[in-house]
Amino acid sequence: DSGVTQTPKHLITATGQRVTLRCSPRSGDLSVYWYQQSLDQGLQFLIQYYNGEERAKGNILERFSAQQFPDLHSELNLSSLELGDSALYFCASSGSGAAGTDTQYFGPGTRLTVL
Amino acid sequence: GQQLNQSPQSMFIQEGEDVSMNCTSSSIFNTWLWYKQEPGEGPVLLIALYKAGELTSNGRLTAQFGITRKDSFLNISASIPSDVGIYFCAGQNDYKLSFGAGTTVTVRA
Repeated sequence: DSGVTQTPKHLITATGQRVTLRCSPRSGDLSVYWYQQSLDQGLQFLIQYYNGEERAKGNILERFSAQQFPDLHSELNLSSLELGDSALYFCASSGSGAAGTDTQYFGPGTRLTVL
Repeated sequence: GQQLNQSPQSMFIQEGEDVSMNCTSSSIFNTWLWYKQEPGEGPVLLIALYKAGELTSNGRLTAQFGITRKDSFLNISASIPSDVGIYFCAGQNDYKLSFGAGTTVTVRA
């Protein structure tokens, strides 16, 4: 158990819909990262938040957005969903978010299926 | 994003054998990491490497950070059935991790 929790574990929805994925970081961690894992693209970094502020952006679509709240939990919002958005979405957390040396611990993931 | 080439893509190994996998990149990384992922779970950190040339062990696992900072390898010694899973290398610069495509390990009892 990494100490990172994600809800829900599974989500099934239809194209065009909007969903919210939730992540609670390990106790004391200030940084939260979101990743997408699909069969064709592998594990792709989406976005990072540190203590409530966006710090780094990866391959995140404009239809996707995230935020980190004062209690440090984070939500990833996916809108206008397409079939290709079906994937595993992972949240990871780390202590300080210091560049290059801060180890990321991953949650169990949310499996999103878009029908 | 940055491309990491991980090989082999998959392997079948006999219990008790040693196994090796590696990762190469055209880009330099400041940190190399190795993760293992089992079905239905998130990646679990196995080993983190922070310095070029560093050789680090974690039980039966040994990993090295290449001198050029563009490659890393992971060795598993004396394989056991619970070594089954997908192993990912990851390079880290700043806040971003770039992952390899993974090596699927299946152990024959």
